[in-house]
Amino acid sequence: SQQGEEDPQALSIQEGENATMNCSYKTSINNLQWYRQNSGRGLVHLILIRSNEREKHSGRLRVTLDTSKKSSSLLITASRAADTASYFCATDHIYNQGGKLIFGQGTELSVKP
Amino acid sequence: NAGVTQTPKFQVLKTGQSMTLQCAQDMNHEYMSWYRQDPGMGLRLIHYSVGAGITDQGEVPNGYNVSRSTTEDFPLRLLSAAPSQTSVYFCASSQVGPSNQPQHFGDGTRLSIL
Repeated sequence: SQQGEEDPQALSIQEGENATMNCSYKTSINNLQWYRQNSGRGLVHLILIRSNEREKHSGRLRVTLDTSKKSSSLLITASRAADTASYFCATDHIYNQGGKLIFGQGTELSVKP
Repeated sequence: NAGVTQTPKFQVLKTGQSMTLQCAQDMNHEYMSWYRQDPGMGLRLIHYSVGAGITDQGEVPNGYNVSRSTTEDFPLRLLSAAPSQTSVYFCASSQVGPSNQPQHFGDGTRLSIL
């Protein structure tokens, strides 16, 4: 399977702490995307990072990509209770025809007030 | 702006019944797709479409049919429901294919097959 793997599967932190989630994948990619899913809702796009980029920021989010290690990380700084959600990485592999996104299994983040 | 709308939100079926999950988007997106989400499995691609009249299979297409007669709508049909199809189904869309394009998701249809 080309599916990405995320770790940890679950993460519990206190408000104000930083949260780091990791995603690894198996084959070369065009880009990697991160999504958030609140309980009972659909996924919401957070950041897209292309294969020729190493780091990207959006507000309190920082994404890094290491294509040599086939891995990415999502850092949420100064977390808030509202950041409690599941976070998924999705990869667009260069061998996919029609551009299919392959999702990881997700990291469940709990931020305690 | 409604985005991606999925109906129904919840459905219970008996084994062997058929039904259609509806998905509509109002953003004039060419690319639409269906995923199922199961515990511990992440999202798996069922079928996708790169434009009206064009559909293709994803990772887990068996037991499902799709058609794309208009840009706006992409219904998913369960031909003969099986308990293994109990899942949460998500529809997503983007301007063109998902390469370099953020996907817009609906809020899902929660389907139980008894």
